[in-house]
Amino acid sequence: GQNIDQPTEMTATEGAIVQINCTYQTSGFNGLFWYQQHAGEAPTFLSYNVLDGLEEKGRFSSFLSRSKGYSYLLLKELQMKDSASYLCAVRDQGARGGYNKLIFGAGTRLAVHP
Amino acid sequence: DTEVTQTPKHLVMGMTNKKSLKCEQHMGHRAMYWYKQKAKKPPELMFVYSYEKLSINESVPSRFSPECPNSSLLNLHLHALQPEDSALYLCASSQEPGLAYNEQFFGPGTRLTVL
Repeated sequence: GQNIDQPTEMTATEGAIVQINCTYQTSGFNGLFWYQQHAGEAPTFLSYNVLDGLEEKGRFSSFLSRSKGYSYLLLKELQMKDSASYLCAVRDQGARGGYNKLIFGAGTRLAVHP
Repeated sequence: DTEVTQTPKHLVMGMTNKKSLKCEQHMGHRAMYWYKQKAKKPPELMFVYSYEKLSINESVPSRFSPECPNSSLLNLHLHALQPEDSALYLCASSQEPGLAYNEQFFGPGTRLTVL
């Protein structure tokens, strides 16, 4: 089956570092995405990992361990505008015509306070 | 142009109405998607169009009818909806349907309320 788990809510202080974890189980893993979604808005792409290791992009980094079915998103130098939901999404290589389906976790709501 | 646009932004309709949601992208993407998102839940895939052909229907009720008139446009026709269909409907597009690295670009969504 397919299952993606991430914490429901997290809080952090402005200027701090926060790590949002994601564990997954899929039948045909083919990459993991992190998206940011502000309330009432569309998800926006943050990062993509398909190989093990750390991908860094400015204040955001994402890590993947395929053997452990585990990823995390690291946010540094937190700003108030980082208050949003963070969605972990796994690409599952399904059997239908080679299409890679994107399966979203429930999202982690991050609240950054002064 | 690197955005996906959706109209209308908000829609209120009765259970007997017929309405359509529209989505447009001019990035040359050949895959387009409809997602449904309820409050505090993740987006759930409804339909996938690949090269203007319907390739995935995630067992969506027939009161939702997708249409892809050309490579830039995607519509979702709504008829005889139920109040539980109220949600944020997101359109997305990606470069190629089967590429391993295939970031999906999302539109701002249509907030649908069914009375």
